Amino acid sequence: GAVVSQHPSWVICKSGTSVKIECRSLDFQATTMFWYRQFPKQSLMLMATSNEGSKATYEQGVEKDKFLINHASLTLSTLTVTSAHPEDSSFYICSAGNLDRGVYGYTFGSGTRLTVV
Amino acid sequence: QQQVKQSPQSLIVQKGGISIINCAYENTAFDYFPWYQQFPGKGPALLIAIRPDVSEKKEGRFTISFNKSAKQFSLHIMDSQPGDSATYFCAASKGTYKYIFGTGTRLKVLA
Repeated sequence: GAVVSQHPSWVICKSGTSVKIECRSLDFQATTMFWYRQFPKQSLMLMATSNEGSKATYEQGVEKDKFLINHASLTLSTLTVTSAHPEDSSFYICSAGNLDRGVYGYTFGSGTRLTVV
Repeated sequence: QQQVKQSPQSLIVQKGGISIINCAYENTAFDYFPWYQQFPGKGPALLIAIRPDVSEKKEGRFTISFNKSAKQFSLHIMDSQPGDSATYFCAASKGTYKYIFGTGTRLKVLA
């Protein structure tokens, strides 16, 4: 149980365009989802926390207008990188959990490698 | 106070040996301490986790040792195998709040 699917696994986009990454909980209802960014050989950097039906909470220094997060249902959250630039190239990972079940262990998706050219 | 310090940064172990990774925290309010394993190009996968009311938890070859008074916890991988070669992250959280991750340890197990 507790499977999180992330799509796409990799994407290449042109500078100035937008790209959307999907994160789905396949076998549970995710009341909370987290979005992370990871640079090579570095730890996970939390970008934002999203709770179903409410606005995402962004970490300090993360541009909310550039990284749009939507958590419209209990099984789907999306991250849209708007007007992407080469410096946005990174590995993006989501994680999800159901806080109503008191489950502390969040499940991570498989990640999305974004390359902006 | 929100940091979790992880060491070593990298570790090389012979096949069959014991791999030990350590983490230390400051915030005594943390009450959940998971360890994640990450292979290149993949998302982290939960290995094992512990709460502060126990001093040790074992699952197969993986053991967490927890020292509440020292505010430290460690991951022991017994009989390390080449397939264990990955990056390991410790984390800490308070309740169901966001994780605070360590900086990661790159483990290489030599065949």
